Amino acid sequence: AQTIHQWPVAEIKAVGSPLSLGCTIKGKSSPNLYWYWQATGGTLQQLFYSITVGQVESVVQLNLSASRPKDDQFILSTEKLLLSHSGFYLCAWTGRRNTLYFGEGSRLIVV
Amino acid sequence: QQQVRQSPQSLTVWEGETAILNCSYEDSTFNYFPWYQQFPGEGPALLISISSVSDKKEDGRFTIFFNKREKKLSLHITDSQPGDSATYFCAASWYGGSGNKLIFGTGTLLSVKP
Repeated sequence: AQTIHQWPVAEIKAVGSPLSLGCTIKGKSSPNLYWYWQATGGTLQQLFYSITVGQVESVVQLNLSASRPKDDQFILSTEKLLLSHSGFYLCAWTGRRNTLYFGEGSRLIVV
Repeated sequence: QQQVRQSPQSLTVWEGETAILNCSYEDSTFNYFPWYQQFPGEGPALLISISSVSDKKEDGRFTIFFNKREKKLSLHITDSQPGDSATYFCAASWYGGSGNKLIFGTGTLLSVKP
C-alpha cells in the first residue's frame, strides 16, 4: 500500500525567514507528485506538480519553489516568507483517473 | 471556463436526515468527478467518484447524481451521522491524455447535529 508522509506537521515562522516543507511517498514508483495550498476555510489551490525526478512545473506564482530531488521526495521551499504564505500545505500523488491522494498536511503560520 | 462551483457554502442537518450538496461546472471536457471529505486539520480523502458515462454512483450512504446535460452533480448523504460533519469538496478532472488537471470546488461545510 502507498503511504505519503509530510513534515513538519506544523510551523510558526517569522516574516522574511526561510521555509522548507517535505513530502515522502512510499510504495509507489515514479509517482506524479503535487503541492497544494489551502487557506483556512478555503478551497485547494494547486501550486506545483512533478512527473519525474528533477522536473517541476509551477502552476501559480506565490514566491515559492519546489524541487524533486528523489523519486519519492518532493520539497516546497522559499527563502523569504510572506504573511500570505500562511495556510495548510498538502502533498499529493495521483492514482487511476487522476485521483489525488493527499498527505496529512503541514500547517504554516507566518507571524 | 474551468470553474467548479458548490452550494450551499454551509449546511446543517439533524442526525438521520439526508444532506444534499450541490456542484456545477462549466467545462464540458471534464469527464471524472471525485468528491473529497476533509476533517479539520487533516488532508482531504477521496469519498466517492463518478465518471461522465454514468448518471448515478452509490456507496453505502453516499450517492452521486450526475446530470451531464446541465453540468451538475449532487452528493446525497442519507441517514446523516455526526461523524459526517466535515467539509466536502467536489472536483472535476479529465483524463486520458498527458498532464493532470483537477479543479476543486469551493467546498461545503456540513454540520450534522445529534
